[in-house]
Amino acid sequence: QVQVVESGGGVVQPGRSLRLSCAASGFTFSNYVMHWVRQAPGKGLEWVALISYDGSNKNYADSVKGRFTISRDNSKNTLYLQMNSLTVDDTAVYYCAKHFRWSSDYWGQGTLVTVSS
Amino acid sequence: QSALTQPPSASGSPGQSVTISCTGTNSDVGGYNYVSWYQQHPGKAPKLMIYEVSKRPSGVPDRFSGSKSGNTASLTVSGLQAEDEADYYCSSYAGSNYVFGTGTKVTVL
Repeated sequence: QVQVVESGGGVVQPGRSLRLSCAASGFTFSNYVMHWVRQAPGKGLEWVALISYDGSNKNYADSVKGRFTISRDNSKNTLYLQMNSLTVDDTAVYYCAKHFRWSSDYWGQGTLVTVSS
Repeated sequence: QSALTQPPSASGSPGQSVTISCTGTNSDVGGYNYVSWYQQHPGKAPKLMIYEVSKRPSGVPDRFSGSKSGNTASLTVSGLQAEDEADYYCSSYAGSNYVFGTGTKVTVL
């Protein structure tokens, strides 16, 4: 069955960096666009970034552009999100999601990132 | 990249219908037939309920339906059931990126 499992969250100080990972299984990872979506505590969903199937095309939300980098390793079936210059506004649960027909059909359970001094 | 506008809350009794609106602009909802809807129960990951405005993924009950007119999309839940109580989010492709709605909490009275 299709599974995506995020990891790498934790508590980090403002200005520091963190890298999230998303391990995919149950589908041909290298054939699919992948997304990161986040949700601040008690707030709504916010799209963060996407990466094309081969990693050649990447798009970002304005709120993270220049600070976050999405990447993938198709040999390891793994998606990444490198987050630099973190601020308190980046505190959220970060979800990895598989692209499907201009939507996302499989989501992980999320990993919590807390930015706090 | 402004969030799409949804009403904060909606409610209905079991068996009734509820409709949630999702208003965007010509650059997102109105510009593409790529609106999707997600259901999220507390503490859980979102679940895809509708894609490409009105299509249902396998396994989603036909009580859920979607439509669009101009810059506004809608999700209708017919025959409300207790398990439909959740937060619902719309999303739209916006030309190289995506935008979510503000979210609507549906309460089954």
